[in-house]
Amino acid sequence: EVQLVESGGGLVQPGGSLRVSCAASGFTFSNYWMHWVRQVPGKGLVWVSHIDNDGSSSTYADSVKGRFTISRDNAKNTLHLQMNSLRAEDTAVYYCVRGAGGFDLWGQGTLVTVSS
Amino acid sequence: DIVMTQSPDSLAVSLGERATISCKSSQTILHSAANGDHLSWYQQKPGQPPKLLIYWASTRESGVPDRFSGSGSGTDFTLTISSLQAEDVAVYYCQQYAHSPYTFGQGTKLEIK
Repeated sequence: EVQLVESGGGLVQPGGSLRVSCAASGFTFSNYWMHWVRQVPGKGLVWVSHIDNDGSSSTYADSVKGRFTISRDNAKNTLHLQMNSLRAEDTAVYYCVRGAGGFDLWGQGTLVTVSS
Repeated sequence: DIVMTQSPDSLAVSLGERATISCKSSQTILHSAANGDHLSWYQQKPGQPPKLLIYWASTRESGVPDRFSGSGSGTDFTLTISSLQAEDVAVYYCQQYAHSPYTFGQGTKLEIK
């Protein structure tokens, strides 16, 4: 089955760190750009970061630049997002997304809550 | 950054009637290395991740009913649902994927009148 499954979300204190991951299956992971998109419950979608298919290039939203790092392991079909210096405004559901013509495959999301 | 602006913010349409959502980009999203506008439409129902409906502004994703159609070019785009069904109640988002950051519109909530 073609799918993306996120893990690693949870409660973290402001200033803390968390790493969320995404396991891909059912398709050739190394052929695709991958993205993280986040959504505060009840609010809109916000693109966070992308990484190209071989991991040589990545971009970030200004709101996370310098604090978040995207990476991938094509041998393990896994995408990661390392989040440091977390703030209350980073609280959201984080979706792992495959990029093709449009964002054509989404995981179910993992909730990250930043609170003391 | 490219700003995507949808209108209206919410919309109520009778079953079987047409629903139209507009999306405007602050600059052209016709990527120089490709032949199409880098514009997608997504549908999100409560408790679910978004689902891709349309890409390249007018190409329907596999499995999406043909009552959904996308049109437009340059900076003005439209999602049309030709005959609204009960299962179409959702929030709809447009997105540009021409230039990072790959921005989304604010969403349009579609309800039954």
